[in-house]
Amino acid sequence: ETGVTQTPRHLVMGMTNKKSLKCEQHLGHNAMYWYKQSAKKPLELMFVYNFKEQTENNSVPSRFSPECPNSSHLFLHLHTLQPEDSALYLCASSQGSGTISSPLHFGNGTRLTVT
Amino acid sequence: GESVGLHLPTLSVQEGDNSIINCAYSNSASDYFIWYKQESGKGPQFIIDIRSNMDKRQGQRVTVLLNKTVKHLSLQIAATQPGDSAVYFCAENLLNTGTASKLTFGTGTRLQVTL
Repeated sequence: ETGVTQTPRHLVMGMTNKKSLKCEQHLGHNAMYWYKQSAKKPLELMFVYNFKEQTENNSVPSRFSPECPNSSHLFLHLHTLQPEDSALYLCASSQGSGTISSPLHFGNGTRLTVT
Repeated sequence: GESVGLHLPTLSVQEGDNSIINCAYSNSASDYFIWYKQESGKGPQFIIDIRSNMDKRQGQRVTVLLNKTVKHLSLQIAATQPGDSAVYFCAENLLNTGTASKLTFGTGTRLQVTL
């Protein structure tokens, strides 16, 4: 079992719906990430949080809104999505700040389908 | 027209043989590299990492080789097993400046192990 838990595993939503993806890490890490994995592109970084502060927004449309209340929890709020937003959304965590890079640990993702 | 998914190169290896998966990275300033394995329905799983001050690193049944001159990374899997069947991604990270790691992923290679 991964130390990063994502819920729900599957989500189907209409274009006018509002939903949220949840991620929780049990690894004591300080950085958390959202990645998008679609059939057409490699893994794309969306957002990075380090010690609860957002340090990266990779030109993500405003219909995706992240929230990081503490170092263990990360949310991705979704509203008025488009069908092309259908993808696997992966959450990850890592040790965070420091001069040494560290690997990311991923959850199993939420498979999102926008109808 | 019909949407086309990302075409993944496929490596087919017989059980018991050694596998070599290659990756060309893009940024000569990258100083940290990781290999991930992703099985169907799961998130990427960390396999092994290597820093730019090394040329080779070994793990259990896996070896990563780094050639900075030609910006090439390879993953060698010894005595390949059916459980090794998955998509393998390489990832690179720019020099950590004190913030969280920010990985850029390759497109992936599908490893198929035949009996």
